[in-house]
Amino acid sequence: EVQLLESGGGLVQPGGSLRLSCAASGFRFSGYAMSWVRQAPGEGLEWVAALDGNGGDSHYVDSVKGRFTISRDNSKNTLYLQMNNLRSEDTAIYYCAKLGIAGTYDAFDIWGQGTMITVSS
Amino acid sequence: DIQMTQSPSSVSASVGDRVTITCRASQGISSWLAWYQQKPGKAPKVLIYTASILQSGVPSRFSGSGSGTDFTLTISSLQPEDFATYYCQQGYRFPLTFGQGTRLDIK
Repeated sequence: EVQLLESGGGLVQPGGSLRLSCAASGFRFSGYAMSWVRQAPGEGLEWVAALDGNGGDSHYVDSVKGRFTISRDNSKNTLYLQMNNLRSEDTAIYYCAKLGIAGTYDAFDIWGQGTMITVSS
Repeated sequence: DIQMTQSPSSVSASVGDRVTITCRASQGISSWLAWYQQKPGKAPKVLIYTASILQSGVPSRFSGSGSGTDFTLTISSLQPEDFATYYCQQGYRFPLTFGQGTRLDIK
């Protein structure tokens, strides 16, 4: 079964750090770009970061550049998101998603269940 | 950044109705447009990619069209399970961007 399972969410103070993990199964993980997408409470979807299958080409939304780092360990079929200097506006459900259906980065076809990050003092 | 604008923001309809949602990109994106359905408390699910290709397993009552800047998602005959929020997303250029969503409610 194709599956993505996120972990690592929780409550963190402003300025703090957190690392999210996403364990993939059921597909050739190293063959696909992966991404993080977030959704603030009651709001729409926002793409956060993407990484190609080899781990060498990364992209970020401007609001997280310099604070978040996306990485992957293909030997463990796991995607990560290191989040530093967290702000209240980072509060959201964070989804891990497989990227690329017709192209390398075109659309998200597999999603995890999401993990909630709350940034608050 | 490419801005994606959906209309309407919300729509009320009845089972059996035909519903069309539009999505406009602030610049041309060829056919790199996907549509997602999200139900409360659940992750989004892709319905259509490259503007008009139905994802495997998605019912044929869903269809997409358009290219360049203007796109549509059509549900030909609404079923009870279709009441949800729908998002468009461009995959033409980073940053990847979503529309603000269209909430489809039962009339």
